[in-house]
Amino acid sequence: DAGVTQSPTHLIKTRGQQVTLRCSPISGHKSVSWYQQVLGQGPQFIFQYYEKEERGRGNFPDRFSARQFPNYSSELNVNALLLGDSALYLCASSVGQGVYTEAFFGQGTRLTVV
Amino acid sequence: AQRVTQPEKLLSVFKGAPVELKCNYSYSGSPELFWYVQYSRQRLQLLLRHISRESIKGFTADLNKGETSFHLKKPFAQEEDSAMYYCALSGLSDSWGKLQFGAGTQVVVTP
Repeated sequence: DAGVTQSPTHLIKTRGQQVTLRCSPISGHKSVSWYQQVLGQGPQFIFQYYEKEERGRGNFPDRFSARQFPNYSSELNVNALLLGDSALYLCASSVGQGVYTEAFFGQGTRLTVV
Repeated sequence: AQRVTQPEKLLSVFKGAPVELKCNYSYSGSPELFWYVQYSRQRLQLLLRHISRESIKGFTADLNKGETSFHLKKPFAQEEDSAMYYCALSGLSDSWGKLQFGAGTQVVVTP
């Protein structure tokens, strides 16, 4: 098992553009969460999806959206990119939702907004 | 407000010396606490969690609810312990397990 896979690994976008990041969870995992990690800080929670429904949302503007597909893979979309959106975006998957299931993280997508 | 504080950005220790990484939290309910580790060029992974009461790779952490702390300790540091360590919190009552992370502590173990 390759673990949680994210694509692309690196991305450069211009201010105002839109970006889509992709995540494939570990086989059998039904929950996907997204985190933003700005340089020098810990990951910050953006979204959690479980069974294709949004189950939690962090303190991020509506420019951030996500969805989960029937195969449990997920996409994170960010519209109208700002310089401050430059960060490492992490995806984590788990078997279920809730504090008792372990989250497994992907390698992340490094987004640079210029 | 929910917050996790790791006061040390960098901790440099000699091989064989004890190491302690500090983590303090604020949370209005009942928290579950975690330590995550990221080795060089590897992904973020769970090291240990309070509810398991385990010792992983010689590391232990004790939840002190009076001091709202969850410090990570190892009596004898090894070079392979060099990594970035994140303390994280989740609410036991949260149905969806959102993790709140601290800013992280970089540990460097020198021979």
